[in-house]
Amino acid sequence: AQSVTQLGSHVSVSEGALVLLRCNYSSSVPPYLFWYVQYPNQGLQLLLKYTSAATLVKGINGFEAEFKKSETSFHLTKPSAHMRDAAEYFCAVSGNTGNQFYFGTGTSLTVIP
Amino acid sequence: DSGVTQTPKHLITATGQRVTLRCSPRSGDLSVYWYQQSLDQGLQFLIQYYNGEERAKGNILERFSAQQFPDLHSELNLSSLELGDSALYFCASSEDRALTTQYFGPGTRLLVL
Repeated sequence: AQSVTQLGSHVSVSEGALVLLRCNYSSSVPPYLFWYVQYPNQGLQLLLKYTSAATLVKGINGFEAEFKKSETSFHLTKPSAHMRDAAEYFCAVSGNTGNQFYFGTGTSLTVIP
Repeated sequence: DSGVTQTPKHLITATGQRVTLRCSPRSGDLSVYWYQQSLDQGLQFLIQYYNGEERAKGNILERFSAQQFPDLHSELNLSSLELGDSALYFCASSEDRALTTQYFGPGTRLLVL
């Protein structure tokens, strides 16, 4: 069975500061991991995904995430926050059958000017 | 724009009624997934169809059903609606049965009064 836990339902950072959104996964098989972003009144948009290639994954909008098997983590980072990064962020895991995605409860990112 | 379309964007109905939500996947995608997003439950996987066949079931109520048609569009039918069914319903599509990225539509916002 797969699941993800997102620590911190709300994160606030100042504009220009480091963004760190935490995700820990649980999986009985080698996982595939995803980060999605949801802007207000919109659907989910893929930021990046890990599919067992490089452990450091670069995504869109300057975001990246590092897969750490020893820590069962897939934290999302961005060196410098922009106002436009304010959104809800979801971590998701899927097993290698790909039939089901399990989403975390989401982290709401607020960027303070 | 993900290429996934959903209609209607908004739906207001009364308890006990039945509604149908429609989803058209990205061109070439054979898999369609349905999700429910509510404040108290977060993002919940409901059901997946692949090339017209049901492939995976999540937390879908018996009052809900779905199907995928030969042209690959999908419909989610919600019946005997309750106040608690008010939520955002997302459709996503992906290329094949094994793991690939899921692309999300803009969602249908359902309000049950």
